[in-house]
Amino acid sequence: DAGVTQSPTHLIKTRGQQVTLRCSPKSGHDTVSWYQQALGQGPQFIFQYYEEEERQRGNFPDRFSGHQFPNYSSELNVNALLLGDSALYLCASSLGTAFQETQYFGPGTRLLVL
Amino acid sequence: AQRVTQPEKLLSVFKGAPVELKCNYSYSGSPELFWYVQYSRQRLQLLLRHISRESIKGFTADLNKGETSFHLKKPFAQEEDSAMYYCALPFMGSGNTGKLIFGQGTTLQVKP
Repeated sequence: DAGVTQSPTHLIKTRGQQVTLRCSPKSGHDTVSWYQQALGQGPQFIFQYYEEEERQRGNFPDRFSGHQFPNYSSELNVNALLLGDSALYLCASSLGTAFQETQYFGPGTRLLVL
Repeated sequence: AQRVTQPEKLLSVFKGAPVELKCNYSYSGSPELFWYVQYSRQRLQLLLRHISRESIKGFTADLNKGETSFHLKKPFAQEEDSAMYYCALPFMGSGNTGKLIFGQGTTLQVKP
């Protein structure tokens, strides 16, 4: 099991563009959470997907949206990119939504917005 | 609002010295707390959780509700402990979800 995988590993975009990041959860996991980690900061929760629905959302604008597919993989979409969106985007998967379930993190996608 | 504070960005100790990584939280109820670790060129992973009351790689963490702290301790640091450490608190809003609130992280540097 490769664990949580994310693609692409790195991405460069310009302001105003749109980006899609992808995540495949660990085998057997059905819940995906997305985090944004700015340089020198801890991860910040964006949202969580379970049963193809957004279950919980952090303090991020509507420019950030997501999707979960029937195979539990997930996408994070960011529209109208701003310079401040430059960060490492982490995906974490778990079995169920409860906080007691261990979240397994992927390697992240590093996004640079110019 | 729930918050996690890790006051030290960097903690540098010599091999064999005791280590204490500080974590303070703001939450009025009975929290569950986690320590996550990220070794160089590896992904973020769970180190230990309060509810398990376990020792992992020689690390322990005790919840002190009076001081609202969950400091991570190890009596004798090893070079392989060098990593970034994050304290995390689950968001205890409506429902039981996996939303984690992370501190800013502390880099532990263990010198030979």
